[in-house]
Amino acid sequence: NAGVMQNPRHLVRRRGQEARLRCSPMKGHSHVYWYRQLPEEGLKFMVYLQKENIIDESGMPKERFSAEFPKEGPSILRIQQVVRGDSAAYFCASSLRQGEGEKLFFGSGTQLSVL
Amino acid sequence: AQKVTQAQTEISVVEKEDVTLDCVYETRDTTYYLFWYKQPPSGELVFLIRRNSFDEQNEISGRYSWNFQKSTSSFNFTITASQVVDSAVYFCALSDPNTGNQFYFGTGTSLTVIP
Repeated sequence: NAGVMQNPRHLVRRRGQEARLRCSPMKGHSHVYWYRQLPEEGLKFMVYLQKENIIDESGMPKERFSAEFPKEGPSILRIQQVVRGDSAAYFCASSLRQGEGEKLFFGSGTQLSVL
Repeated sequence: AQKVTQAQTEISVVEKEDVTLDCVYETRDTTYYLFWYKQPPSGELVFLIRRNSFDEQNEISGRYSWNFQKSTSSFNFTITASQVVDSAVYFCALSDPNTGNQFYFGTGTSLTVIP
């Protein structure tokens, strides 16, 4: 049973370019979460999605960032016009249900470097 | 507000020593969940344990044990007879149903076990 798959593992972009990060949840999981890990910091919540719906985007920057989880295919985190401050590790997690104390399964992350 | 503090940034121990990783949390809610995750050099976060706020019973799993004390808002993690494979970054996290079950992570403790 494959875990949460994220790609690419490493992504290098120049300032102003777009970054697309992909996440395939564990089989059977319909709840997807994106977290960002800045250097020397813990993971910070960005957005929670179910199939075709954004449920909670309270942690997502208002501009340049967007996320989707289409009916078919992986979840995508998109960062437009990247800046150096976007350099971070982006982790995707999935869960079987959305309830109290539900365990999250994490991927290996995408390390975004903005030159 | 919810907050998790892992005061130990880095710890080094010699193999076979015991080591305790500290975790202190803050929340005003009576129902919450605490987690520990391990992040090995490969990058993915591996679930270790989940504990709900109503269960203060300590838990032991092999060389791992957890001490949950609500009186001090702590959820400490002890590795007995450490091994080189225990070298990783360990994250403590709080999940709160009153904030949509978002995970609040500490900044992590990097453990190095020296052979």
